[in-house]
Amino acid sequence: DAGVTQSPTHLIKTRGQQVTLRCSPKSGHDTVSWYQQALGQGPQFIFQYYEEEERQRGNFPDRFSGHQFPNYSSELNVNALLLGDSALYLCASRMVSPDTQYFGPGTRLTVL
Amino acid sequence: QKEVEQNSGPLSVPEGAIASLNCTYSDRGSQSFFWYRQYSGKSPELIMFIYSNGDKEDGRFTAQLNKASQYVSLLIRDSQPSDSATYLCAVNPLKSGEGNMLTFGGGTRLMVKP
Repeated sequence: DAGVTQSPTHLIKTRGQQVTLRCSPKSGHDTVSWYQQALGQGPQFIFQYYEEEERQRGNFPDRFSGHQFPNYSSELNVNALLLGDSALYLCASRMVSPDTQYFGPGTRLTVL
Repeated sequence: QKEVEQNSGPLSVPEGAIASLNCTYSDRGSQSFFWYRQYSGKSPELIMFIYSNGDKEDGRFTAQLNKASQYVSLLIRDSQPSDSATYLCAVNPLKSGEGNMLTFGGGTRLMVKP
């Protein structure tokens, strides 16, 4: 049983560019959340997708957008990249019972 | 503002000792609480969750919750060098089934010395 998968593993972009990160949840999980983890800090919630709709959103600007596909996989898009967007981006899929979240390996984004 | 606070450490304990990690939270409406372990360069790994006041034990790990004091802790018995990692406390402010936006603390770095 595959766990949560994310691609790519690492990514280097320059300021102003756009990036798309991808996530596939665990089999049987239908809810995907995205988190940003800056170096030395805890993860910060970006948004959550369920039934192909954004259900909750954290304190992130509109430059951060997402999508969920019918197979429950998800994308995170970031436009007009800033140096401060450099971080580990984590995808988490939700198990309903018990209500828990499991993280993928993450995508390390570096913005130069 | 909803906050989760942890001592950043490092917390240093000798091998075989009990490590005690603490976390406080500000949102009294918080319903479920989680401890994640994160090795350097890796993603967080769920090790414990607790919903009710009291203690919950799983192997060498015990989670303790006191909602009145807005305090949750993690005890690691017989600490091993392999337990050396950053431990993240996370809080879900909503009841199960109503969404799962986790708010994380900054993490406590644990070092277990042989």
